[in-house]
Amino acid sequence: AQKITQTQPGMFVQEKEAVTLDCTYDTSDQSYGLFWYKQPSSGEMIFLIYQGSYDEQNATEGRYSLNFQKARKSANLVISASQLGDSAMYFCAMREGYGGSQGNLIFGKGTKLSVKP
Amino acid sequence: DAGVTQSPTHLIKTRGQQVTLRCSPKSGHDTVSWYQQALGQGPQFIFQYYEEEERQRGNFPDRFSGHQFPNYSSELNVNALLLGDSALYLCASSFPGGAAYEQYFGPGTRLTVT
Repeated sequence: AQKITQTQPGMFVQEKEAVTLDCTYDTSDQSYGLFWYKQPSSGEMIFLIYQGSYDEQNATEGRYSLNFQKARKSANLVISASQLGDSAMYFCAMREGYGGSQGNLIFGKGTKLSVKP
Repeated sequence: DAGVTQSPTHLIKTRGQQVTLRCSPKSGHDTVSWYQQALGQGPQFIFQYYEEEERQRGNFPDRFSGHQFPNYSSELNVNALLLGDSALYLCASSFPGGAAYEQYFGPGTRLTVT
């Protein structure tokens, strides 16, 4: 069965430093996509970054990068130069099947990131 | 260009009652998915609507039903509310030709069952 595991319930990081949020996944599919979302206290899920299972390069979006290690089934999110506004819940998610935007997402339990000034 | 909108923002209901939540997808999107997020948990997939039909369903009882209208907006109905139905309900929209990451979420409806 598909599963996403986020083992860090909470993380603290000093402003301007980098932080890595861990995510491991389990699937028997060869085709899948991995996502990271940010959820501020307002509740809205904000898309951060996407990695397809066949993508050879690690995804990057501004200060966000995804450290994709397929053999280890891990998809860690790296946030560089943390800002106070980065304080939020972060969710790792997976969709089976490659390409296209349909299909349901399976989410982990999330990591609460707190950025200290 | 309006994103995904949901109404109402907050809702308080009594156990046993019925509730209807609404979602309007992002412009150009024709597929709507609903998720339930209990406190302290990640969202869980309820179902997805496309072309006015339920296309996929997660592990939720029949008390959870939905509908999609010709303008692609959608409703989530929950009957015989239980205390455990208290959660943030998120709607997400997408379209078949979209890139894999193109699933956008609305702000959610926070339902409290007392």
